[in-house]
Amino acid sequence: AQSVSQHNHHVILSEAASLELGCNYSYGGTVNLFWYVQYPGQHLQLLLKYFSGDPLVKGIKGFEAEFIKSKFSFNLRKPSVQWSDTAEYFCAVNAAGGYQKVTFGTGTKLQVIP
Amino acid sequence: GAGVSQSPSNKVTEKGKDVELRCDPISGHTALYWYRQSLGQGLEFLIYFQGNSAPDKSGLPSDRFSAERTGGSVSTLTIQRTQQEDSAVYLCASSLGSGNVGGYTFGSGTRLTVV
Repeated sequence: AQSVSQHNHHVILSEAASLELGCNYSYGGTVNLFWYVQYPGQHLQLLLKYFSGDPLVKGIKGFEAEFIKSKFSFNLRKPSVQWSDTAEYFCAVNAAGGYQKVTFGTGTKLQVIP
Repeated sequence: GAGVSQSPSNKVTEKGKDVELRCDPISGHTALYWYRQSLGQGLEFLIYFQGNSAPDKSGLPSDRFSAERTGGSVSTLTIQRTQQEDSAVYLCASSLGSGNVGGYTFGSGTRLTVV
């Protein structure tokens, strides 16, 4: 079974700072990778996803993530955060091919200070 | 509908009572999932439905939990004899198919409080 680790539980940044949220997964086979975001009072929504091809994936709102297979990592990055990026971010993984349930990490709460 | 709809949005129940949580997925989405989100616990998989196939119930924490999906659309998650540790936000998600090609679309959840 796969598992996901998000090492940062709470991150506080000032506006315009650069962001990198760590995500490591555990699974020996081919995977699909996701980042979801939950803004305050809103439901979870997909930020970006990786299935195959270019390991650098670009998502909405200027976010990107890089899949590094050798490190089993899929870190989320943004060069300059805004106050509106304050949210909780969840990394998720599932085994590629057919139905495989998605396993989520415990989430990272990002607080951006104006 | 335009999104995944869950009801009720909030439910407070007494310990020992049964509760039913409802999920109405996006029209045309064949896959439906239930997750539970507890404080500091991330999202815990509960159950998955895909079309007419037998559901994957491997995440249900006890036999007090059950779920149905009628007609390949609406799903009901039932918790019998609720306990305080059942308090959580119960999330439903749907997707186009089993491969999760497009990722999930989540509902806004049902916040269950057992007192």
